Amino acid sequence: QSVLTQPPSASGTPGQRVTISCSGSSSNIRSNYVYWYQQLPGTAPKFLIYRDNERPSGVPDRFSGSKSGTSASLAISGLRSEDEADYYCAAWDDSLSVVVFGGGTKLTVV
Amino acid sequence: EVQLVESGGGLVKPGGSLRLSCAASGFTFSSYSMNWVRQAPGKGLEWVSCITRTGTYIYYADSVKGRFTISRDNAKNSLYLQMNSLRAEDTAVYYCARDPGIRPGHFDYWGQGTLVSVSS
Repeated sequence: QSVLTQPPSASGTPGQRVTISCSGSSSNIRSNYVYWYQQLPGTAPKFLIYRDNERPSGVPDRFSGSKSGTSASLAISGLRSEDEADYYCAAWDDSLSVVVFGGGTKLTVV
Repeated sequence: EVQLVESGGGLVKPGGSLRLSCAASGFTFSSYSMNWVRQAPGKGLEWVSCITRTGTYIYYADSVKGRFTISRDNAKNSLYLQMNSLRAEDTAVYYCARDPGIRPGHFDYWGQGTLVSVSS
C-alpha cells in the first residue's frame, strides 16, 4: 500500500488530454514539492516534472503538473502513442522522513 | 553528459551480502545528494536511501534500515550501497539517482539499474 495514491491505469486516444491524480496528505504533498517520473517499458525512469509544475528542458510542454492541498495531478495533452508508459508521483514525507512514491499509473494510448 | 553506471548486482542467497556501486561522470559529484531507488519485478518504484553531498545526512526506508548502508567517495565519484541480511523481498533492480534538491525526491538523472536477485 503506497503512501501516495494513484489510479492503477489510465487511457486515452491520440490527441486527447488525460490527467493522472496523486493523492497524499499534509505531511507530504501539502508540505513538499511533488515530482513526476515517466518509465517507458523496459527502461529506467525519466524525470518529467519537478517542484510541482516545472518542466526540465527537453520535456515537451504537453506535460504539465499542478497541485492543490494534498493532491497533485499530471496532465498530458495532445496524447501520442509514445506517451504509453508508467507514471509515478513522489514527494518527501516530513512525518516519515522518507521519499514516498505513488504506486504508479499505467497509461495506455488506444 | 551526465552518466550514472551501477554495478555489483547478482544472485545471492537469503541472509547474504552484496555491495552495489554507482560510478558518476559528467558533473561535479560532490555537489549533489545521491539516492538509491529500487523496483521489484513487475512492481512500482520504491525509494531506498539518500546521502547528502558530504555524507552529513543519511536517510533510509524502514524496509532496509539496519541492514543497508549507503556511502559515497567524492574523490572517486562513486556511490555505494552495502546490503546485508538480504531477503527475498529485496529482489529488485536497483537504480542510483542524482538529486539536486534540498530535500530528497528530485531525481533528475538515473542510471540504467543493476539487478539483485535473492534466492536459495
